[in-house]
Amino acid sequence: TQLLEQSPQFLSIQEGENLTVYCNSSSVFSSLQWYRQEPGEGPVLLVTVVTGGEVKKLKRLTFQFGDARKDSSLHITAAQPGDTGLYLCAAPDAGGTSYGKLTFGQGTILTVHP
Amino acid sequence: GAGVSQSPSNKVTEKGKDVELRCDPISGHTALYWYRQSLGQGLEFLIYFQGNSAPDKSGLPSDRFSAERTGGSVSTLTIQRTQQEDSAVYLCASSRGLAGGLMTYEQYFGPGTRLTVT
Repeated sequence: TQLLEQSPQFLSIQEGENLTVYCNSSSVFSSLQWYRQEPGEGPVLLVTVVTGGEVKKLKRLTFQFGDARKDSSLHITAAQPGDTGLYLCAAPDAGGTSYGKLTFGQGTILTVHP
Repeated sequence: GAGVSQSPSNKVTEKGKDVELRCDPISGHTALYWYRQSLGQGLEFLIYFQGNSAPDKSGLPSDRFSAERTGGSVSTLTIQRTQQEDSAVYLCASSRGLAGGLMTYEQYFGPGTRLTVT
């Protein structure tokens, strides 16, 4: 099973600042997903990236898939308190026989202060 | 449409008692997953069902944990002889899984069951 490493683990910033969260692995992914989880709720899918070098934008969020499909980043511009939550990256499990299973990173807890 | 639902939303139990947690996936989703999440932490995979295939139980932490999925829909996670370290949020997710020869990985999560073992 591949390991997904997210950094930083914690991020505390002021409203209006920019930030970047990273998701790295030594394995090549066929695709990668980002989820956001708010307190008391389950994670919600934000985006799926598939092609190396792909960039997807979702309002103030920009997702990038590395050219070699081993890493990804999430950039938030002008963060808002509503962006507060746990951000998780996930990728299909490349090993074993469990086709369809995802491996999740350990998450980045983002707090945006007003 | 209806999303993934879980019940109960909260469960407080005494150490040593058995608990059952229920998950109703999105209709038509062939894949169902159970995860455990401690406060502010990432997701710990527990078990994965895909259609009629044998479930992937590789994440179950001990033989006190078991899960079944009846009729390819509703799933129940059972924890026997609960311990305090079992206290966590238990999340269920479903996905379209394998359909038309293609695997879909996007997962849809329920709100979770918060289990507290006293």
